[in-house]
Amino acid sequence: GNSVTQMEGPVTLSEEAFLTINCTYTATGYPSLFWYVQYPGEGLQLLLKATKADDKGSNKGFEATYRKETTSFHLEKGSVQVSDSAVYFCALSETAAGNKLTFGGGTRVLVKP
Amino acid sequence: EAEVAQSPRYKITEKSQAVAFWCDPISGHATLYWYRQILGQGPELLVQFQDESVVDDSQLPKDRFSAERLKGVDSTLKIQPAELGDSAMYLCASSLTRKNTIYFGEGSWLTVV
Repeated sequence: GNSVTQMEGPVTLSEEAFLTINCTYTATGYPSLFWYVQYPGEGLQLLLKATKADDKGSNKGFEATYRKETTSFHLEKGSVQVSDSAVYFCALSETAAGNKLTFGGGTRVLVKP
Repeated sequence: EAEVAQSPRYKITEKSQAVAFWCDPISGHATLYWYRQILGQGPELLVQFQDESVVDDSQLPKDRFSAERLKGVDSTLKIQPAELGDSAMYLCASSLTRKNTIYFGEGSWLTVV
């Protein structure tokens, strides 16, 4: 079956530091890949997505590239802000599986001023 | 920007009582999902609707959970009787079709005491 593995947190950074959150996946077909962000006490917001190999998703300074050869979709941001403190979830979906999202366990990021 | 609406945001209930959550998807979205997110974990799909029909309820504990979407618009998720292990956030989400991006509501927090 499908699965997503992402690095465990918490990840603690200083403001303006570089952020990387690793995500790897296992899928039977050709999934779409997503990063969702969850701020304290809130639901999930779509951060970015990529639907095929070598696509790069980007939003709000975050980027992730769909790497089929390494089955990875690592999230990066060059200069984090305190407001980026949240839990980040990597996820995949496959049309053949009815568009069902399979999530990783989440990575908590804390950015200190 | 259109949103997925959920209520109540917070619910505390005693063990063995009944509880219900309501969801109104983004207008025009045919596909509706209910996910459960246990604290510190990623969300897991409970049930997926296409219009008024259930297309995936393989992870729904059917002895105590039920879900309906009678007119293919809003949906209700019910738990009866509630157990301590049901304490979690219940997230509703919707997408235009089964092939489109999934958008989440803010979630309903359930605490069973």
